[in-house]
Formats: sequence, structure tokens, C-alpha cells
Amino acid sequence: GAVVSQHPSWVICKSGTSVKIECRSLDFQATTMFWYRQFPKQSLMLMATSNEGSKATYEQGVEKDKFLINHASLTLSTLTVTSAHPEDSSFYICSARPLAGGLAKNIQYFGAGTRLSVL
Amino acid sequence: DQQVKQNSPSLSVQEGRISILNCDYTNSMFDYFLWYKKYPAEGPTFLISISSIKDKNEDGRFTVFLNKSAKHLSLHIVPSQPGDSAVYFCAASAADYGQNFVFGPGTRLSVLP
Repeated sequence: GAVVSQHPSWVICKSGTSVKIECRSLDFQATTMFWYRQFPKQSLMLMATSNEGSKATYEQGVEKDKFLINHASLTLSTLTVTSAHPEDSSFYICSARPLAGGLAKNIQYFGAGTRLSVL
Repeated sequence: DQQVKQNSPSLSVQEGRISILNCDYTNSMFDYFLWYKKYPAEGPTFLISISSIKDKNEDGRFTVFLNKSAKHLSLHIVPSQPGDSAVYFCAASAADYGQNFVFGPGTRLSVLP
């Protein structure tokens, strides 16, 4: 159990276009999903916390109008990078925290990540 | 200001020996700690966790030790295997933060055959 699927795994886009990344918990329901960004050789930086049916909470310095987060159900959250620019190129990773059941609620399960390259 | 520090960016260990990865934190409100393992171009995989009410937690080859007074935790891998070669992230959370995790910068472990 505890599989989190993230799609796409790699995307290349032109500057100015928008890119949507999906994060799905496949075998559990998630109260909360998290979006991280990782620069080369650096740690995971939390961008925003997403709760189903409510607005995401963004970390300081993260532009909410640029990184749109939608958490439509207990198994799906999406991150849309709007009007992407080369400086948005990075590795984006989502995670999900289980609602209940046999999985520990205080552990985040991560997707495989999405590498975004903006030309 | 880094709240979670992993001062060794890399570590090399011979196969079969013990690997010790260290993590220090500054926020005394942290009460739950986790170790994640990450391969290149993949998401982190949960390894082991420890609550602040304990000082040791063991799971197979992996043991995490917590020293609250020193605000220090360590991950021991015994015996180390080549497949353990990865980046290891230490993470901490506090109830006041709603269980959001703060990650350290990671330590790259290389287990040499």
C-alpha cells in the first residue's frame, strides 16, 4: 500500500506556457497533500500544503498565482505552473498524508517527482 | 536559518560495515523525526521514524537514535549494502506545525563493494 503516483515524470515546455502536474494517492485517501521543489544538490523545499476542498496554504516566498494548486478529491491534487519561465525549471515532488486506516497518519508518502525543463 | 542540519554532504562506507548518518536540529518544538531515502530522479521513500518520547527505534538493519538534550539524531545501517547507496534526508515535525515536515539538506551515502 501507500502508493503515490505523480504524472508526468518529465516535461519540457516553452517559456510562457503552463504545465499541470498531477499527484494521486492510489490506494489510500489523503487528508493533506504537499508540494515540494528540489533544486540540484539541495533539500526538499515545501511550497504549499493542500487540503481537500479548501484553498492551499503557501509557504513564504511562493507565488500562489504562479503555482496554482487544486485539491479536488481525497486522492488527487494538481499543481499548475502558470506562464513558466526558465527559472521555474526544477524537480517538483508531491506527497500525501493518509486520512486513516492501516497507514500511519504522521508519515508522508511521496510521488516519484516531475522534472520540469522550461526552454 | 536551517532548522534541520545534516553537516556531512557525503559519506563512503565499505560494504558490510556500519553507516552512521547524522542530523541536528535547532527547534526544540520538533517532536517527531523521520529518515527518508532518495534515489536520483525518484521521490523519497520512508525508512524509519522516531517520536520524541523514545530514544531508539529499530527496524531490521536500520536503527535511529535520538538525543533530545543534544538535539541530535542518527541513523545506523548495519550491515551496509551497495543498494543502500542513495541520498538520505532527515526530517522533523512539530505538532504546532500541523505535522508539516522540515527536511535537512541530505547526505549522499556510497556503499563500496
